[in-house]
Amino acid sequence: NAGVTQTPKFQVLKTGQSMTLQCAQDMNHNSMYWYRQDPGMGLRLIYYSASEGTTDKGEVPNGYNVSRLNKREFSLRLESAAPSQTSVYFCASSAASGRASGELFFGEGSRLTVL
Amino acid sequence: QKEVEQNSGPLSVPEGAIASLNCTYSDRGSQSFFWYRQYSGKSPELIMFIYSNGDKEDGRFTAQLNKASQYVSLLIRDSQPSDSATYLCAVGARSSGDKLTFGTGTRLAVRP
Repeated sequence: NAGVTQTPKFQVLKTGQSMTLQCAQDMNHNSMYWYRQDPGMGLRLIYYSASEGTTDKGEVPNGYNVSRLNKREFSLRLESAAPSQTSVYFCASSAASGRASGELFFGEGSRLTVL
Repeated sequence: QKEVEQNSGPLSVPEGAIASLNCTYSDRGSQSFFWYRQYSGKSPELIMFIYSNGDKEDGRFTAQLNKASQYVSLLIRDSQPSDSATYLCAVGARSSGDKLTFGTGTRLAVRP
């Protein structure tokens, strides 16, 4: 059972380049999330998708776009990468709604460096 | 701004002891509380959740919630070196659509 799969696991970009982080889950979960984790900042929500066909901004959406391609896949795109976007990115999914929506399953993470 | 506060640690305890990890939150409308464990270089893993005041036990782990004091804690009994990790407290509030606000984590080190 793969759970939540993210690709790539590591990426180095130059300022201004674009890239897409891919995420797929095989648990039939409705909700999917993209977080970033920076030292001393904790996990911060970038975008989320409560169901197929819907996406919403989280706490730190600037500089990012997302696509919920289908129920399984949720991608995160950086159109013009900046050094401030150097971070570890986690995709997560949840089966539940309401207060139980915080029961998250995380992917292994993607470490992005922008030079 | 909603805040979730944790002592960054490290909290160092000897093997077999009880480790007590604490978390405070600012939003009185918070209704869901989670503890995630994160090993160095790995992704967070859910270990406990609690929704009502009081204690909730699962094996060696006990989560405690006091909504009046806006305080949630995690106790780890009979701590093992394999418990050495960073523990993230996360809080969901109805006002934010139950989206989680994470603390910065407490690093726990269990000495053999």
